[in-house]
Order: sequence, then C-alpha cells, then structure tokens
Amino acid sequence: QKEVEQDPGPLSVPEGAIVSLNCTYSNSAFQYFMWYRQYSRKGPELLMYTYSSGNKEDGRFTAQVDKSSKYISLFIRDSQPSDSATYLCAMSAGGFKTIFGAGTRLFVKA
Amino acid sequence: SAVISQKPSRDICQRGTSLTIQCQVDSQVTMMFWYRQQPGQSLTLIATANQGSEATYESGFVIDKFPISRPNLTFSTLTVSNMSPEDSSIYLCSVPQGGTDTQYFGPGTRLTVL
Repeated sequence: QKEVEQDPGPLSVPEGAIVSLNCTYSNSAFQYFMWYRQYSRKGPELLMYTYSSGNKEDGRFTAQVDKSSKYISLFIRDSQPSDSATYLCAMSAGGFKTIFGAGTRLFVKA
Repeated sequence: SAVISQKPSRDICQRGTSLTIQCQVDSQVTMMFWYRQQPGQSLTLIATANQGSEATYESGFVIDKFPISRPNLTFSTLTVSNMSPEDSSIYLCSVPQGGTDTQYFGPGTRLTVL
C-alpha cells in the first residue's frame, strides 16, 4: 500500500462546476498537508498549505484535512479553463520528507 | 519567493551516456532537493544537497548513479550516469519555501533515453 493514494483521473468538468479532489494516506505522523498545481511542462507550484487538521480557504480554493479519517480534500469553486492542470497532494511529518500523490489531471471545459 | 531555472529544459540521450542537469536559484539557500517524476508516478525525492557537505540520498538512489554537486548556495548539478531507458523522466530541483515544509520547484528537465 502506498503511503499516499490519489486518483489519477482524468477528471473532466464543465466551466463553473465545483471540483473535489481527494487523497488518502496511511501515516498518522503527517502534520503538513499541501496541494500543488502543475501545468503541462512546468514545475509544481504551491496552491494550498495546511498544518494539522482543519479547513483553509483562499479565494476559490478550499483545503480540508481530516486526520481522523486520514483524508484530505481540495475544493475548487467556479472552476475555470485556466484551472486545467494536474493537482498533486503532498504531506510530510516534517524535515522536508514530503510524500507526493501521483496527481489528478483536471480538465475544465469552456 | 525564489525563482529557479534548470538547464537543459529537455534532452534526448543514448543509453550508456551521462547527462548533467543544472539548477540555479536567484537567492542563497542552504538546502536544495532533487526529484524524479516518472510518467504517471508521484514525485520521488532523489537526494538533498546541502552546500559544503555530501548529498543525502534516499532509499533506492545511489551516488554512483546520481552524483550531485553543490558548489555554492545558489547552484547545484545532478548527473544521471550510465543512462538506460528506465531513466527517462522529468527531473526537478526545489528549495524550501519559508519556514514550512513547502517548496519552490524549478521548471524541470525532461529526459528521454533511447
């Protein structure tokens, strides 16, 4: 079993839809939870960061962490074609020993 | 924020040869990381490069295959040695972002080994 599981998709939605992306994990020591966005032929860029449990909102993006279920989510409201990218979840227990999910490819159709 | 550049952006190489990838950061950083991103796979940490000391390699990666240099606080190189088609991948360098466990990534080097 992988430490971090992420559905690779692809996920295709119409413009304006609410997108839900999810990851599960097995290591209860993880404290730092991140979502990176990676456009084609680019490096990943940090989108959201959460320490421990709870929700965090930034514009159209909301990150949720449920440590009891070992489950994290990223919600994108009012999705735009420019949101089309691969979304990587990532988590760490500290010390930059970050474990990444395989990424979910998202396509937002105009 | 940190701006990271990598050279080359892509290359096609013959098996048995070696390729050196350069990573340049626009600010001084203590730690730099090298990752591999194989098609359909998650980002995997190859090694951590600290200036003035030997790189620390993750399980499954060895110095003879992936020698790393870190001559100063803004630059590092990763060499992929004696390449085989299985080394075809995207190689990325990154640096810490602030005081958290987050990172800035370079644009990546897309390597194809024939």
